[in-house]
Amino acid sequence: EPEVTQTPSHQVTQMGQEVILRCVPISNHLYFYWYRQILGQKVEFLVSFYNNEISEKSEIFDDQFSVERPDGSNFTLKIRSTKLEDSAMYFCASSPGDDGETQYFGPGTRLLVL
Amino acid sequence: LAKTTQPISMDSYEGQEVNITCSHNNIATNDYITWYQQFPSQGPRFIIQGYKTKVTNEVASLFIPADRKSSTLSLPRVSLSDTAVYYCLVGDPMDTGRRALTFGSGTRLQVQP
Repeated sequence: EPEVTQTPSHQVTQMGQEVILRCVPISNHLYFYWYRQILGQKVEFLVSFYNNEISEKSEIFDDQFSVERPDGSNFTLKIRSTKLEDSAMYFCASSPGDDGETQYFGPGTRLLVL
Repeated sequence: LAKTTQPISMDSYEGQEVNITCSHNNIATNDYITWYQQFPSQGPRFIIQGYKTKVTNEVASLFIPADRKSSTLSLPRVSLSDTAVYYCLVGDPMDTGRRALTFGSGTRLQVQP
């Protein structure tokens, strides 16, 4: 069964550094998403991406964040100048369509900002 | 903004039916309501999805009233392996006319032997 993959599984960084989280969505999916989950809290939507551009984003997704699909398979989340409160689990997801169709989630990247 | 409310936790015993309700006012009119299951340190996993009335698959049923202000996930006969956190996911209409996606706060289900 095809699945979403994410790398790295864990990332430790110093406050103020930039990090890039990588995702490989399911190959025939057209919509891609990033979510964040702070330890012990609910999953929070960050951004959705379609046709090489952001289609929706939440209030959390400010200028510190950016997304990119640099090639036909990868989907990345860049966090500039990381803050302590950026420490969280970051999940990538993909879906075939966008009318609420099932999203398939990756295993997540645990980011720790020191 | 859509506001979702779920019970924080529920306890059950193996073999029992469990119903978890998510209240969601002001959700996007054309979106499905989706429920996910999450185990510790894993990504959410799709359980079931519906638009209105009732949907059933091999693992669960989903009941959605006509006003779509709530939805109830029904797990027919739970087992120990159903111990997890359950989230509803709805579309949240934004002022821009688009919509974001909002997870409920999650319900931690503990199944006892």
